This record gives sequence, C-alpha cells and structure tokens, in this order.
Amino acid sequence: DIQMTQSPSSLSASIGDRVTITCRASQSISNYLNWYHQKPGKAPKLLIYAASTLQSGVPSRFSGSGSGTDFTLTISSLQPEDFATYYCQQSYSTPHSFGQGTKLEIK
Amino acid sequence: EVQLVESGGGLVQPGGSLRLSCAVSGFTVSSNYMSWVRQAPGKGLEWVSVIYSGGSTYYADSVKDRFTISRDNSKNTLYLQMNSLRAEDTAVYYCARDNYYYGSGSYYPAFDIWGQGTMVTVSS
Repeated sequence: DIQMTQSPSSLSASIGDRVTITCRASQSISNYLNWYHQKPGKAPKLLIYAASTLQSGVPSRFSGSGSGTDFTLTISSLQPEDFATYYCQQSYSTPHSFGQGTKLEIK
Repeated sequence: EVQLVESGGGLVQPGGSLRLSCAVSGFTVSSNYMSWVRQAPGKGLEWVSVIYSGGSTYYADSVKDRFTISRDNSKNTLYLQMNSLRAEDTAVYYCARDNYYYGSGSYYPAFDIWGQGTMVTVSS
C-alpha cells in the first residue's frame, strides 16, 4: 500500500498569509493526487484533483502542484473560511490512502 | 439536487453487526463508483471500501472479511454491512461518490460528493 505523509501536522497563520502544505507519497503516484479540506463536524470537500486541477467552484487562491512523490497545496491569501484540516489523497492505486491531515489554525 | 444521506449508525457491542445505508439522489448509484470512508474520533480519514459500476468490490485490509459493500439499484441506495465489529471500528462513516475526471489522456479518481456521515460506536 502507498503511504502518504503530510507536513506540517499543524500550522498557525493569519488572514491574508500565503500558506503551503506538503504531501509526500511513499512511491511515485504520477499526478494522481487529490486535496480536500474538512471543517469540524462536516464532511470533507474536494478542492483539487490530478494534483493541480481546481474542482469547480473552488476559489482561485487555492493551487496545487507536484508530480511523482512530492506535492504541495498553496493558499495564496488566507481567508477566514480556510481555517480547517487539509488532507491529501493518492488515487493511483487501491487503497486510495489519505495523508494524516494538516490542521490550519488562526494565529 | 445531488445528495447522499447516510443512516443506520448507532451503538453496538463488540462482535455485533450493523448495516449502514446511503440514500442517493441526483445521480444513479449503479452508474458510478461508490465508496465508504471512515474517520475515528479526532483522527484522519480512512478509505474503507469501494463498489465499481460493474459490481466489483474492494476493501481495506482492516475490514476485509468482516464488511460487505453492496447496492440496491431499485432504491438507488448504497450499503455497508458490518459484522464482527471491534472497538477500533468506532468512527463516523461517510459514503462518497468516486468520480473519475478525464484529463491529459487519463482518468483521475476523486471523491467529489460526500454524505453528512453517520456515527458508529462499538462499545460494551
């Protein structure tokens, strides 16, 4: 099975900051990488698929990059609604494993 | 409106059974890949099982031989039969559509629609 590792596990930032979250796969997954965010008590929401394609309706301040084993999610200017937990997920092979999550908190 | 609504969660003793349902509206379950994903309290997301449109099923090692995913096409509903439940199965269980996005000559799976989740607690 492919293991996904995110860093950092938690992050404090301010409104307007630029934030980057990293995800690393235990083997090459090409660009089969998705990003979700989840707010407390809510279901996850798809932000990005295929490493860099924005899901419909997701604000353009979110962007993704990477290929192979190393990926990043960047939020260009944090908004209040962006404080949540972020997960990466590989969809290269079953099981489609998730990273452990990155909790983004208000500084 | 596209919607997934889970039900069937609750408190069950270790070794017991429970069947979760996921009622789907706005698209056809049998034409899509559908998955169950769970989240233990305070923990991350764990993929549990998938059923393909053709009927093939796959399971995480942690639930293999104990859980069974199925669907009822006439009711447009997805199910997860959970047997021999353990304390470590305690979690919120989400159903999700496994959509395959096409781009650059390939298909990219991603969970684009999620239910609200149903809580399963395994405890004596």
